[in-house]
Amino acid sequence: EVQLVQSGAEVKKPGESLKISCKDSGYSFTTYWIAWVRQMPGKGLEWMGIIYPGDSDTRYSPSFQGQVTISADKSVSTAYLQWSSLKASDTAVYFCARYITTTATFDYWGQGTLVTVSS
Amino acid sequence: QSALTQPPSASGSPGQSVTISCTGTSSDVGGYNYVSWYQQHPGKAPKFMIYEVSKRPSGVPDRFSGSKSGNTASLTVSGLQAEDEADYYCTSYAGSNNLLFGGGTKLTVL
Repeated sequence: EVQLVQSGAEVKKPGESLKISCKDSGYSFTTYWIAWVRQMPGKGLEWMGIIYPGDSDTRYSPSFQGQVTISADKSVSTAYLQWSSLKASDTAVYFCARYITTTATFDYWGQGTLVTVSS
Repeated sequence: QSALTQPPSASGSPGQSVTISCTGTSSDVGGYNYVSWYQQHPGKAPKFMIYEVSKRPSGVPDRFSGSKSGNTASLTVSGLQAEDEADYYCTSYAGSNNLLFGGGTKLTVL
């Protein structure tokens, strides 16, 4: 069974860097795309981008291009989302999900990682 | 690009049917049959309910159905049950490996 396990909640200060993770267990990590989705407090879901761990091909939503970096390490079946300089507006829950390109669907989701950025 | 447009709220009594709309453009909803719907209970991860406009993954009750007309897709929940109370989001492929989410609809079971 597919299971995506995300890293724990983080509390950071503005300007700090951060890398959160999404580890796959149970399926072939290198043969599916992994997506990152943001949910700001009390708000809806926003697609941030996708990565194909097999060759690290990465596509970003225009809204997030240049704001975050998506990467993957297939040796540990883990995808990452990172920021070089956090802002208060990055406070949100971040979900990873398996993305099926043939149907444009997120079929399995991680449990979410809460990132809080506050001075 | 703009998110897809969903009504902020919808409601119905147990046993009734309710329909949630998702309006886009000819560049997304109207241009592709790649509309999906997700259910999200408070504090939980979204759950995949409908794909390719009207297909249900295994395990999703047939009370949930999807359709599309022009630039508007719809999710219908029939025979409403208390556990259907949740937020619902639509997504649509928008070309060039781009994907749009709707703003979400809070479904209340009265």
